[in-house]
Amino acid sequence: TQLLEQSPQFLSIQEGENLTVYCNSSSVFSSLQWYRQEPGEGPVLLVTVVTGGEVKKLKRLTFQFGDARKDSSLHITAAQPGDTGLYLCAGVDGSSNTGKLIFGQGTTLQVKP
Amino acid sequence: EAQVTQNPRYLITVTGKKLTVTCSQNMNHEYMSWYRQDPGLGLRQIYYSMNVEVTDKGDVPEGYKVSRKEKRNFPLILESPSPNQTSLYFCASSSVPGIGYTFGSGTRLTVV
Repeated sequence: TQLLEQSPQFLSIQEGENLTVYCNSSSVFSSLQWYRQEPGEGPVLLVTVVTGGEVKKLKRLTFQFGDARKDSSLHITAAQPGDTGLYLCAGVDGSSNTGKLIFGQGTTLQVKP
Repeated sequence: EAQVTQNPRYLITVTGKKLTVTCSQNMNHEYMSWYRQDPGLGLRQIYYSMNVEVTDKGDVPEGYKVSRKEKRNFPLILESPSPNQTSLYFCASSSVPGIGYTFGSGTRLTVV
């Protein structure tokens, strides 16, 4: 069974601080996606990384896919209160063609002004 | 606006009373899927559909049925709901399996 372990589970920081969220697995994924979910809403896709070692930037957010395609990280620079939310990593099960997403447990981020 | 629409958003029902949660997408996506989200367990796939009339089980299909008679619609059917199906349900779609998904806003179901 493929699992994705996300850490930390909870993070409460002050506005302006930097943070990193990690997503780790012993399994290889064909791609990995990061989502952000706000209370009462569905997850919204932030980025998809496909190639081992790939780095993508989305304004103050930097996403990295591990060389072996087993892990990923999300780094936020100078966090703002608007970044508050639940961040989810999700790996695509590459062993089958089902398109199934394996989700991490999520990281709840609170950015205090 | 490209979107996945679920209805209802909230539903409280009694054990054993059949219900259907509807899902519709306007992006002409071939792939659609249902997930449930539970505290401590995260999001888990219930069923998925590669295309019209093509559906298959995900990780937690017990107690659920789906159908895909048209490309845009993918309803989730609970024939005899039980309290352990109390959860937050999400429908998602994508043009290609494994490529970025668009999720609906969710249906919070409570079975008493």
